[in-house]
Amino acid sequence: DTAVSQTPKYLVTQMGNDKSIKCEQNLGHDTMYWYKQDSKKFLKIMFSYNNKELIINETVPNRFSPKSPDKAHLNLHINSLELGDSAVYFCASSQDWRGPGPDTQYFGPGTRLTVL
Amino acid sequence: RKEVEQDPGPFNVPEGATVAFNCTYSNSASQSFFWYRQDCRKEPKLLMSVYSSGNEDGRFTAQLNRASQYISLLIRDSKLSDSATYLCVVRSNYQLIWGAGTKLIIKP
Repeated sequence: DTAVSQTPKYLVTQMGNDKSIKCEQNLGHDTMYWYKQDSKKFLKIMFSYNNKELIINETVPNRFSPKSPDKAHLNLHINSLELGDSAVYFCASSQDWRGPGPDTQYFGPGTRLTVL
Repeated sequence: RKEVEQDPGPFNVPEGATVAFNCTYSNSASQSFFWYRQDCRKEPKLLMSVYSSGNEDGRFTAQLNRASQYISLLIRDSKLSDSATYLCVVRSNYQLIWGAGTKLIIKP
């Protein structure tokens, strides 16, 4: 059983298009995250949701909009895609980040986005 | 100064050798520390948490030095399968701050 799943795994699209990436976790975790890993392999957090509530919103262009319909899902919609958006996007989940539980983050397999 | 810094490497090490690398952090109030491993074109996975007293998991030993604000990872009897990028993660003020990773290549 996949703990954290993302779709699609690969996404190739033209500049200016709008695309969405979906993420689901079946671990019962309260907190979910979106990360971007660029060509230099630096992993940077974009957003974090806890029980459908946005708790971390790093400096990310407002073309990126996360949506959490329930605590098991966190989707990422990107408007007007640009060349610089090409990267691998990882979804992750963990237990409530504010609680005493373990901080371990479980990552999805990643979505490799290429903007042409 | 970056919040979490790591030597990017690569560290080229012969199989069977011992290798160690450090990670420095800037926030002295940081609460938790972790090492993650990321294989090429794969997602990061937790390798081990780092406890104040230091901890060991098989061939892997993690240490925390709060006075000098760094954590370390030691790998003994390295295997080819240890080749990966090792990411240092620090929890500060409820945020997880990721290092850029140290690339390790184990050679036969």
